[in-house]
Amino acid sequence: NAGVTQTPKFQVLKTGQSMTLQCAQDMNHNSMYWYRQDPGMGLRLIYYSASEGTTDKGEVPNGYNVSRLNKREFSLRLESAAPSQTSVYFCASSGQGYNEQFFGPGTRLTVL
Amino acid sequence: AQSVTQLGSHVSVSEGALVLLRCNYSSSVPPYLFWYVQYPNQGLQLLLKYTSAATLVKGINGFEAEFKKSETSFHLTKPSAHMSDAAEYFCAVSHSGTYKYIFGTGTRLKVLA
Repeated sequence: NAGVTQTPKFQVLKTGQSMTLQCAQDMNHNSMYWYRQDPGMGLRLIYYSASEGTTDKGEVPNGYNVSRLNKREFSLRLESAAPSQTSVYFCASSGQGYNEQFFGPGTRLTVL
Repeated sequence: AQSVTQLGSHVSVSEGALVLLRCNYSSSVPPYLFWYVQYPNQGLQLLLKYTSAATLVKGINGFEAEFKKSETSFHLTKPSAHMSDAAEYFCAVSHSGTYKYIFGTGTRLKVLA
């Protein structure tokens, strides 16, 4: 039981490049989330998926797109990376009944 | 709208001293409240949660928190700090009817030998 896994762990991009961050969970959770963490700002929600087949914008969606590929997988895409997107990105999932979220280990992204 | 305020971005305590990390929330409906811990270069993991049962909630590693509706607070405490408690701690709020969780900006705990 791996929980929530994220790939890659580290990535360096040049401005304007694109990439997709992958997330998968094996806990049969319905809801999945993408956050970014920046110093002094806590975690800010980028997008979330309440259930398979649905996605919704969070607090800071600009510059990102998501795909809920199936119940297990939720990917985050940067179409044209900008230095302001340098951050640590966390994927999380949660089950029914407003249980806690389970977090992946994070992806540290640097955009030059 | 919901919000979470964590007072003190950095807190230092001596090993063996009381740990008190403050969290105040704003919610127009009964909240669900969470404390998470983040060790360096890791994801967040749950310490404890309040979901409208007992107001005093016990979590892992000797931590506990008390829900005080009148003060809109959910402060995290531990009677005796250990060096291994050095980490960043996040308070979060959610409620029935939403899938969103709102996180505070975090408090970095330093434990002095």
